[in-house]
Amino acid sequence: AQTVTQSQPEMSVQEAETVTLSCTYDTSESDYYLFWYKQPPSRQMILVIRQEAYKQQNATENRFSVNFQKAAKSFSLKISDSQLGDAAMYFCAYRGGGATNKLIFGTGTLLAVQP
Amino acid sequence: DTGVSQDPRHKITKRGQNVTFRCDPISEHNRLYWYRQTLGQGPEFLTYFQNEAQLEKSRLLSDRFSAERPKGSFSTLEIQRTEQGDSAMYLCASSLIRGRQETQYFGPGTRLLVL
Repeated sequence: AQTVTQSQPEMSVQEAETVTLSCTYDTSESDYYLFWYKQPPSRQMILVIRQEAYKQQNATENRFSVNFQKAAKSFSLKISDSQLGDAAMYFCAYRGGGATNKLIFGTGTLLAVQP
Repeated sequence: DTGVSQDPRHKITKRGQNVTFRCDPISEHNRLYWYRQTLGQGPEFLTYFQNEAQLEKSRLLSDRFSAERPKGSFSTLEIQRTEQGDSAMYLCASSLIRGRQETQYFGPGTRLLVL
């Protein structure tokens, strides 16, 4: 069975600085997708960034980028120029490329942004 | 707003009562997912529909849980004879499958408290 591990329950970053959130996963599949979702307090989960395993190039979305290391099964999220609005719970998620389409989530990392 | 909507947002019930939640997906999204999120954890998959067909159910979905998606539009999740362990946030997500591409968009959730 696939698993997703986020080993940092909480992280803190100063406004305008850079922070990296870690995620590792375990799978025997070669085709899969990885996601980072953001869940602000009492608000709905929104997609931050996605990565297809067959793509070698790391995905980027404005201030958000990932470091995808397929051999190491690592998928970290880098947030540059952190803003107060980035404060939220961040979840790493895995979806297999086969018939199952469910997302498998990690336990999350709570990010605090200090002014 | 044309995002995923859920109703009610909060529900308090007594143990043994039945509850029903509704999810309205993004228009024309053909897939609809239900997840459950307990405090301090990431969401866990419960079930999903493609159009009106329920294609997968998690072992977490006991006999007391039933989900429907009549006509492939909105979906309902019913919990019969609620137990205190059912207290959680119930999240709905929808997606439009296009070949290999699929991104799940989440609703705000229904927070259930069973007394």
